[in-house]
Amino acid sequence: DIQMTQSPSSLSASIGDRVTITCRASQDIGWHVSWFQQRPGKAPKSLIYGATSLQPGVPSRISGSRSGTDFTLTLSSLQSEDFAAYYCLQYKAYPRTFGQGTRVDI
Amino acid sequence: QVHLVQSGAEVQKPGASVKVSCKTSDYNFNSYAFNWVRQVPGQGLEWMGVITTQSGNTNYELKFQDRVTMTRDTATSTVYMEVRNLRSDDTAMYYCALGSGLDYWGQGTLVTVSS
Repeated sequence: DIQMTQSPSSLSASIGDRVTITCRASQDIGWHVSWFQQRPGKAPKSLIYGATSLQPGVPSRISGSRSGTDFTLTLSSLQSEDFAAYYCLQYKAYPRTFGQGTRVDI
Repeated sequence: QVHLVQSGAEVQKPGASVKVSCKTSDYNFNSYAFNWVRQVPGQGLEWMGVITTQSGNTNYELKFQDRVTMTRDTATSTVYMEVRNLRSDDTAMYYCALGSGLDYWGQGTLVTVSS
């Protein structure tokens, strides 16, 4: 199985901060990575697919990048609605695998 | 925008089975892969498996292979996931999610396993 190692597991930030979350894949997965946001008590919401493509309606302060097997989610200017949990997913191969998640707190 | 609606919360006893449904009104139902994802309270997301609506082919995560069956009904644009021989550690929120990259999600179905 492909492992997705996500870091950090949690972080504290303030409104306006720039935040980066990283997932490292255990093997080459090309661009087959999605990123999700999950607010407390809600279903996950897709933010990014194909490692860098924003889903419709997702604000441009959110971006994704790739360097080899390292994938990064960046929130460039944190807003109150960004305090949530974030997960990466690889969909290059079965079984699909998620990162362990990152909780972004105030 | 694709809309997925899941069935309501369930309470089951250990050893029983549960069948969760996920319905879409999207006219492209036969073109999709529907994934199922589990989230134990306070923990992360766990992929359980996928069913492709056109062929009905399935692919399960190994740990669920013996107890989970995913099916679809093309007439009603609904997919189903059945979990058999429930245990207390199956208590979780179960989500359906559409697309290879899990682009659209249902609202979730809470399954509680308790004697």
